[in-house]
Amino acid sequence: GENVEQHPSTLSVQEGDSAVIKCTYSDSASNYFPWYKQELGKGPQLIIDIRSNVGEKKDQRIAVTLNKTAKHFSLHITETQPEDSAVYFCAASPSSFGGYQKVTFGTGTKLQVIP
Amino acid sequence: DSGVTQTPKHLITATGQRVTLRCSPRSGDLSVYWYQQSLDQGLQFLIQYYNGEERAKGNILERFSAQQFPDLHSELNLSSLELGDSALYFCASSPRLAGTQETQYFGPGTRLLVL
Repeated sequence: GENVEQHPSTLSVQEGDSAVIKCTYSDSASNYFPWYKQELGKGPQLIIDIRSNVGEKKDQRIAVTLNKTAKHFSLHITETQPEDSAVYFCAASPSSFGGYQKVTFGTGTKLQVIP
Repeated sequence: DSGVTQTPKHLITATGQRVTLRCSPRSGDLSVYWYQQSLDQGLQFLIQYYNGEERAKGNILERFSAQQFPDLHSELNLSSLELGDSALYFCASSPRLAGTQETQYFGPGTRLLVL
């Protein structure tokens, strides 16, 4: 089955600096890669996703890159703000068949933005 | 607010007991997923239901079971509870359009504490 590794497990940055979180996956059939942000006491929320036919996607201060050959993808947050402090999860998913979609999550990165 | 509701928010019980966690998916979503998140652990996929039918099983213990009802709400039953079952339990839903990978929308979770 799919195995998703995520690094680092914790990350502290100064406000205004950039943060990068990296994930690798094992199953070459995976072609959908969402990123979730989980704030304290809340459920994970999708912040950005990328599909395997795209190498990079950007949404304001957040960008995700995908290298299919190397089987890794990364989340980049620029101009970090204190409200970016949260746990971030990467995930990987193959094409869904017959209503079944298996998503494998990474172990999470706790990001702390220091004012 | 994701539109997914979970009750109760908190649950404290004793070892050996049985509890039921409830989830209402977003309006129109046919697929429901259950996840367990233990302290310092990532999201562990437990089970998926689609339109009332079980579609996929992950790391779900035999002491745990779930079902999805005709109105699409779902319940996760945990029995013979052990201390190690203390965790956050999340429900997520997605529309389940055939052949596409979809965002999963997470509820706020139920925090279970087994004493």
